[in-house]
Amino acid sequence: SQTIHQWPATLVQPVGSPLSLECTVEGTSNPNLYWYRQAAGRGLQLLFYSVGIGQISSEVPQNLSASRPQDRQFILSSKKLLLSDSGFYLCAWSRPYEQYFGPGTRLTVT
Amino acid sequence: QQQVKQSPQSLIVQKGGISIINCAYENTAFDYFPWYQQFPGKGPALLIAIRPDVSEKKEGRFTISFNKSAKQFSLHIMDSQPGDSATYFCAARRGGTSYDKVIFGPGTSLSVIP
Repeated sequence: SQTIHQWPATLVQPVGSPLSLECTVEGTSNPNLYWYRQAAGRGLQLLFYSVGIGQISSEVPQNLSASRPQDRQFILSSKKLLLSDSGFYLCAWSRPYEQYFGPGTRLTVT
Repeated sequence: QQQVKQSPQSLIVQKGGISIINCAYENTAFDYFPWYQQFPGKGPALLIAIRPDVSEKKEGRFTISFNKSAKQFSLHIMDSQPGDSATYFCAARRGGTSYDKVIFGPGTSLSVIP
């Protein structure tokens, strides 16, 4: 069966500091991968998606970037965090038609 | 139109009652309609889904009703339990892309009171 991991689970970072969130998927190969952000009490905003190694597409302009160095690894990064980057970050993988989410990372920028 | 509209924003139901959440869409390119359940601090979990050529799908206490002509679909939770208290997202997948472009509704916070 497929499993998706995210770490860290929670993170508190000062404004202007760098960020690296990691997501890995087990039990499947060549998955489509996604990064979403969920603001408190809000819906899901797609940030990036990837259909293969090194292939990253951004849905919205922002302070964040993504990379996919390996088939089942997806990384979300920032060089300098902003207060507005706070939120719940979710990684997901998909097989045709269905997306499956990881447990999420709660990021608080202070 | 890429939006998926969802109502109500919040819902309080007595234990044993029926919870109903409604969604609507505009884009006829959507070809799959999943529902997700999210507990606080957790990632959303796929609950049930339906294709537009089916009018109803039932899994246990959860039923999706789909009206293609009206471009509306709804989730019914029968015999609602306190453990069903969560946020529910309807969604719509747009076909014809190289990835699964899924548009999510804004969510409904369901509270089931004993």
